[in-house]
Amino acid sequence: DAGVIQSPRHEVTEMGQEVTLRCKPISGHNSLFWYRQTMMRGLELLIYFNNNVPIDDSGMPEDRFSAKMPNASFSTLKIQPSEPRDSAVYFCASSFYASGNTGELFFGEGSRLTVL
Amino acid sequence: SQKIEQNSEALNIQEGKTATLTCNYTNYSPAYLQWYRQDPGRGPVFLLLIRENEKEKRKERLKVTFDTTLKQSLFHITASQPADSATYLCALDAGNNRKLIWGLGTSLAVNP
Repeated sequence: DAGVIQSPRHEVTEMGQEVTLRCKPISGHNSLFWYRQTMMRGLELLIYFNNNVPIDDSGMPEDRFSAKMPNASFSTLKIQPSEPRDSAVYFCASSFYASGNTGELFFGEGSRLTVL
Repeated sequence: SQKIEQNSEALNIQEGKTATLTCNYTNYSPAYLQWYRQDPGRGPVFLLLIRENEKEKRKERLKVTFDTTLKQSLFHITASQPADSATYLCALDAGNNRKLIWGLGTSLAVNP
C-alpha cells in the first residue's frame, strides 16, 4: 500500500484565496483525521470521520474551515477565505478503528500551507 | 485543563548511549499512551503504544514505561544510532471519542 497520500505537498497563496487540501487514506481504514501542526501549538485535531461520517469537528477553528469525505477513499479540507494565521502544515491520518482497539494513526506527508 | 509536557530542550547524546525522553501529563487519566517519531518535513510515524495497566513495553531497541501514579511515561532508545535523530512525540487518548492529545515533541540528536 502507498500509505496516506496528501496533495499538494506545498501551497503558497494570497490572503483571501480559497485553499483545498486533499487526502487519500489507506484502503480498508475506517477513520480519517485532519490535523494542523505549528511550532507553537504542535499537532491539533481539526476534525475526524468514522465510516465517512464526521464525528467531531470541534477543533475546526472557524466557519472558514470545512471538510468533506464523500467516499471511503477521499477527503478534502477547504479554507475559504484563507488568512496568514492559517499558515501551518496540515496532516491527514487514517486508522482502522474497532471496539477495543486503539487504532494507531498512519499519517501522510503533510501539506505545507503558506498564506501571504 | 489537560496538559502534556515533553522535554522542550533538544537532547544531544553520543552514539551507543541510551536516550531517555520524558512525557508528563496532568489533570488526566489516559487509558493508553502512544509514541511517534517525526523526521523533518515528514508525517509522524507510530512507534509504540502502552496501556494504563502495562508498566513497560519493548520493541527492539525501544522501551516505554508508563507510571500512572507519577503521571509520566519514559521512552528509551538503547544503543542509540545517528539514524535515531528525530523528534519524538507522545500522545494520550482523550477518553471515549478517539481524540489524542499531543505533546510538542522532543528533538533528539545522536552524534557519531
